[in-house]
Amino acid sequence: DVVMTQSPLSLPVTLGQPASISCRSSQSLVYSDGNIYLNWFHQRPGQSPRRLIYKVSNRDSGVPDRFSGSGSGTDFTLKISRVEAEDVGVYYCMQGTHWLWTFGQGTKVEIK
Amino acid sequence: QVQLVESGGGLVKPGGSLTLSCAASGFTFSDNYMSWIRQAPGKGLEWVSYISGSSHDTNYADSVKGRFTISRDNAKNSLYLQMNSLTAEDTAVYYCVKNTRVAAYWGQGTLVTVSS
Repeated sequence: DVVMTQSPLSLPVTLGQPASISCRSSQSLVYSDGNIYLNWFHQRPGQSPRRLIYKVSNRDSGVPDRFSGSGSGTDFTLKISRVEAEDVGVYYCMQGTHWLWTFGQGTKVEIK
Repeated sequence: QVQLVESGGGLVKPGGSLTLSCAASGFTFSDNYMSWIRQAPGKGLEWVSYISGSSHDTNYADSVKGRFTISRDNAKNSLYLQMNSLTAEDTAVYYCVKNTRVAAYWGQGTLVTVSS
């Protein structure tokens, strides 16, 4: 199985400051159709995950533009330009290229 | 809007069985692959299974292969997960998810607890 490794696992941030989460895959995530199925999710306590970013850099409808995704091959990054209080929770990357599709361990974002 | 509502979770003894259901609305159910993803208490996310719109294509994580069966009823816009030979390691919130590779929409989840 493809292993997805996130860092850091815990990220204390100051309101209004930027934040960045790294996600590395153990194999290239380029699929045979040319797409890279690397997605990002946000899970607040007691809620189900919500997709933020799909296929590396495509922001979902309703997701604030302070969220951005980038990367290629095996290295990917989720950036929050200015953290707001509602951004706390756990962020997961997920690869949908190689079955069994797998998630990173999660990065817990909290306000300092 | 897309809605996915899971049901059927509960407390079951080790070795027991349970069937989860997911009622879908807000999109053309029969045109979409559907999946089950689970999350053990306080843990990360694990893909369990997926099924194509026609039911011809299914797949399972090794951890559940031979014990779980995914199915759907397109006339009822419903997805199912039949779970047999349950163990404590199957204790988790089970999410119904629209799509596969991009996991677009998630239900609120249903909790399955396997305990004697």
